[in-house]
Amino acid sequence: SQKIEQNSEALNIQEGKTATLTCNYTNYSPAYLQWYRQDPGRGPVFLLLIRENEKEKRKERLKVTFDTTLKQSLFHITASQPADSATYLCALRGNTPLVFGKGTRLSVIA
Amino acid sequence: EPEVTQTPSHQVTQMGQEVILRCVPISNHLYFYWYRQILGQKVEFLVSFYNNEISEKSEIFDDQFSVERPDGSNFTLKIRSTKLEDSAMYFCASSAGQGIEQFFGPGTRLTVL
Repeated sequence: SQKIEQNSEALNIQEGKTATLTCNYTNYSPAYLQWYRQDPGRGPVFLLLIRENEKEKRKERLKVTFDTTLKQSLFHITASQPADSATYLCALRGNTPLVFGKGTRLSVIA
Repeated sequence: EPEVTQTPSHQVTQMGQEVILRCVPISNHLYFYWYRQILGQKVEFLVSFYNNEISEKSEIFDDQFSVERPDGSNFTLKIRSTKLEDSAMYFCASSAGQGIEQFFGPGTRLTVL
């Protein structure tokens, strides 16, 4: 069956360090993958989209990689700040509508 | 900056009642979506709507659910005969096209008693 796993439910890092979040999937052939940020009680906020033929995308302090051989996406936040503390969701789109992972709750400690 | 709005922010209803959740998507967007998130669980797709008809729907979106775009701005989700397990946050989203970013609203928290 199709599965998306964000293999850390929670991640704590020190301010200024790089946070790396992982999204693995099985039994999908995604056309693209998206990363969203969700704060408690709020709707997801789009961050980055990467297509199956792209290896890497950057936006300011954010970087996403997409390895369709490993079936994995990595999401990096460099020079992390306490304001980056949130839950980060990956979402895949293939021949099914957008499917979300459960998310990784990131806490950046000052 | 344009944003998706949803009303009400919180809806409490009795089991068996009908509820209508309302959304105003971003004005020049063409694709509209409803998702739900049960507390502590992942965001789940319900339905997408384009050109005044449903384009995709999930197994969750059964005959209990319906969507409508009654005018040029609103997009509604109707849940008939609500059940306890319908309690969740319901998010509306819109996008300018397919395969690009979706903009989510703040959600409606539905509590079924």
